[in-house]
Amino acid sequence: GQSLEQPSEVTAVEGAIVQINCTYQTSGFYGLSWYQQHDGGAPTFLSYNALDGLEETGRFSSFLSRSDSYGYLLLQELQMKDSASYFCAVSRMDSSYKLIFGSGTRLLVRP
Amino acid sequence: EPEVTQTPSHQVTQMGQEVILRCVPISNHLYFYWYRQILGQKVEFLVSFYNNEISEKSEIFDDQFSVERPDGSNFTLKIRSTKLEDSAMYFCASSGGANSGNTIYFGEGSWLTVV
Repeated sequence: GQSLEQPSEVTAVEGAIVQINCTYQTSGFYGLSWYQQHDGGAPTFLSYNALDGLEETGRFSSFLSRSDSYGYLLLQELQMKDSASYFCAVSRMDSSYKLIFGSGTRLLVRP
Repeated sequence: EPEVTQTPSHQVTQMGQEVILRCVPISNHLYFYWYRQILGQKVEFLVSFYNNEISEKSEIFDDQFSVERPDGSNFTLKIRSTKLEDSAMYFCASSGGANSGNTIYFGEGSWLTVV
């Protein structure tokens, strides 16, 4: 089977930097994705790592260490609109490339 | 920007009734998925569809559920004899596969309420 662990809640101040960690256990690991979801909305793709290292997309960066089965999402210059749930998700080397989601981290950005 | 579209956005149905949720995946995508999310919980994989057949399904996707791609654009999820516990948001998603970075794009969801 597979499992993903991420903190359930994180609170940060507007303008700050926050890091959301994700550890995973799965066979046939292919890549780690991050999605943002606002209440009542769809999961929106943020970032994907298949190789070790840092991927940067604007204010968001994602890191992967395959040897540690660990990744994180880094959000910089936090804005109020960043308040949402953030999910890490693994994809495996199987026939469907499906994603298996973690339980999500609820980020609250305070003024 | 291309997007996955779903209809209806919200449906209320009586227990025991059949429901069909519809999706139009992104046009050049090859892999199609249905996920569900019970209120306040994580997104759960239901089924994947590739090359006109189911490629993988989860334990949740029992005989009550079926999927179809009736034409070149639509992808449907049918739930026969709905139960109260089927109340959830159902997301359709699609991907171009490995050649396009494996990114999976989600529709806005269909919120199903079974009463």
